[in-house]
Amino acid sequence: GAVVSQHPSWVICKSGTSVKIECRSLDFQATTMFWYRQFPKQSLMLMATSNEGSKATYEQGVEKDKFLINHASLTLSTLTVTSAHPEDSSFYICSARDVGSYEQYFGPGTRLTVT
Amino acid sequence: GQNIDQPTEMTATEGAIVQINCTYQTSGFNGLFWYQQHAGEAPTFLSYNVLDGLEEKGRFSSFLSRSKGYSYLLLKELQMKDSASYLCAVRGGFSMNRDDKIIFGKGTRLHILP
Repeated sequence: GAVVSQHPSWVICKSGTSVKIECRSLDFQATTMFWYRQFPKQSLMLMATSNEGSKATYEQGVEKDKFLINHASLTLSTLTVTSAHPEDSSFYICSARDVGSYEQYFGPGTRLTVT
Repeated sequence: GQNIDQPTEMTATEGAIVQINCTYQTSGFNGLFWYQQHAGEAPTFLSYNVLDGLEEKGRFSSFLSRSKGYSYLLLKELQMKDSASYLCAVRGGFSMNRDDKIIFGKGTRLHILP
């Protein structure tokens, strides 16, 4: 089946620093990838839609200058959390859609802790 | 706006049957998903409905009524490992640029008692 990986699986960083999270589709090409954030005991909140070769589309209330998304190839999208604050601590999950498929395949998630 | 409603928590007994309901009001609709999520893990795909009716897959079944904006997930012969959150999600072109994205409900935490 389709596999999506994320790296790192967990990261601890200091307040004010930047953190990059990678999302890769390992055995299929993904023209579209999605980034979600999930706080404890809450559902997934869509942050942005990432399209290969074009600018990401951000959901209302998500700061595009703080959460930088780059979808440089059909198998890789990156999310950079800039100037991280403790309130950015969350579980970040990406998903990828195979070309021509209805299904989204989720990565294992990245747990970010900002101290 | 987009609105997807499902109960916050449910409790059922091992071996029994449970039905988790989901109602939605969205500006676009291209299908409805159910996902299972264990604590600290990413969601895993359970089912996808785009036409009205019942889809059965082993112990799990999912039903959709587009006219009523309603779906349910039916879990039979419950096992302890079924204790998890179940997420209802709608796919559709919700914005002016018609991004075909998936929006999730808040999820239903299902507790299975022995």
